[in-house]
Amino acid sequence: EAGVTQSPTHLIKTRGQQATLRCSPISGHTSVYWYQQALGLGLQFLLWYDEGEERNRGNFPPRFSGRQFPNYSSELNVNALELEDSALYLCASRFPGGGGETQYFGPGTRLLVL
Amino acid sequence: QKEVEQDPGPLSVPEGAIVSLNCTYSNSAFQYFMWYRQYSRKGPELLMYTYSSGNKEDGRFTAQVDKSSKYISLFIRDSQPSDSATYLCAMSQGNNRKLIWGLGTSLAVNP
Repeated sequence: EAGVTQSPTHLIKTRGQQATLRCSPISGHTSVYWYQQALGLGLQFLLWYDEGEERNRGNFPPRFSGRQFPNYSSELNVNALELEDSALYLCASRFPGGGGETQYFGPGTRLLVL
Repeated sequence: QKEVEQDPGPLSVPEGAIVSLNCTYSNSAFQYFMWYRQYSRKGPELLMYTYSSGNKEDGRFTAQVDKSSKYISLFIRDSQPSDSATYLCAMSQGNNRKLIWGLGTSLAVNP
């Protein structure tokens, strides 16, 4: 069974540009989570999508946005990039239903803002 | 006070040692407890998953949850250089609440 996939693996942008990151969950998983992992800051929760709807949002400005498509894949958009947006962006998926709280992660997209 | 506290280390041990990694938490409503391992420049991978209190063993890994003390542990027996990674604890109240993460403990197992 294929795991969570993310693209691209690396992305280099300049300040003020927009970045689009993509995630495909494990087959059968309907929930997708996005995290930012900057050096020394641990995993910071960004967004949670389930069944095409945004369910929860972390403490990030509105220029971080995303969506989930009917096939449950997801996209994270970061507008007006700032230098401090440089980080590893991780996507995770989860099986629907109660009890199963575990999330399965992709390899991440490393974003560098110059 | 953070909801989840985890000593970032780094922790350095010789090969074959028993490693103890810990997290403390403040929210007594947490019921689901997880340990993830993250190798450098990779995504976290699930190691252990425990519901409520008690112990769970999987090979060289044992996870313990003490809800009365709000304390969870991960033990690694006969540690190997391949265990060198960052170990993150995560916990949740369940009912679709989001996971709360520790900062991770960096472990180096020296041959």
